[in-house]
Amino acid sequence: GQNIDQPTEMTATEGAIVQINCTYQTSGFNGLFWYQQHAGEAPTFLSYNVLDGLEEKGRFSSFLSRSKGYSYLLLKELQMKDSASYLCAVRDSNYQLIWGAGTKLIIKP
Amino acid sequence: GAVVSQHPSWVICKSGTSVKIECRSLDFQATTMFWYRQFPKQSLMLMATSNEGSKATYEQGVEKDKFLINHASLTLSTLTVTSAHPEDSSFYICSARDLDREAGELFFGEGSRLTVL
Repeated sequence: GQNIDQPTEMTATEGAIVQINCTYQTSGFNGLFWYQQHAGEAPTFLSYNVLDGLEEKGRFSSFLSRSKGYSYLLLKELQMKDSASYLCAVRDSNYQLIWGAGTKLIIKP
Repeated sequence: GAVVSQHPSWVICKSGTSVKIECRSLDFQATTMFWYRQFPKQSLMLMATSNEGSKATYEQGVEKDKFLINHASLTLSTLTVTSAHPEDSSFYICSARDLDREAGELFFGEGSRLTVL
């Protein structure tokens, strides 16, 4: 079956750096997405990786290793507004999105 | 970025009534839209794929007669929850993909929180 694993919850300190990991096992691979979802709101797109390596976008970076079935989202200079759930999603060979359960990130002052 | 608008944001209804939720792509055409349901502290669950001009494709376990989907134009899809019951109370979110974008990422509507009394 298809499966995406990410930690349920993480806690970090304002101003620090946090890495949220995602491992996946899917039928084929056509890209990996990270979305941010604040409580009570819809998800918003953060990043997209289809080739191995690091994609940097401001304070957020996303890494992909296809051979390991692994990705991480790196958040730098954490701000209180970064408190949210972070969803990892993989697009399989049928171009269907497989969603992880999300990682709830708690930022403490 | 591409904008998807969903309406209403909140709806409270009595058990047995029907509720219609609209999803519009405001600045791009969406031949395909996706309807998700999300229960508290859980991830997104794909309910169905809405195809413009044809029947929707439902995921396993989703009752097509209960969750009616109509995608009459390239910018509008509707989800009607028929004969709603308290267990249908959830956060319903629509999304669409702007095919002009390389990544093909999804853009989500604001979501509709349904409470059935």
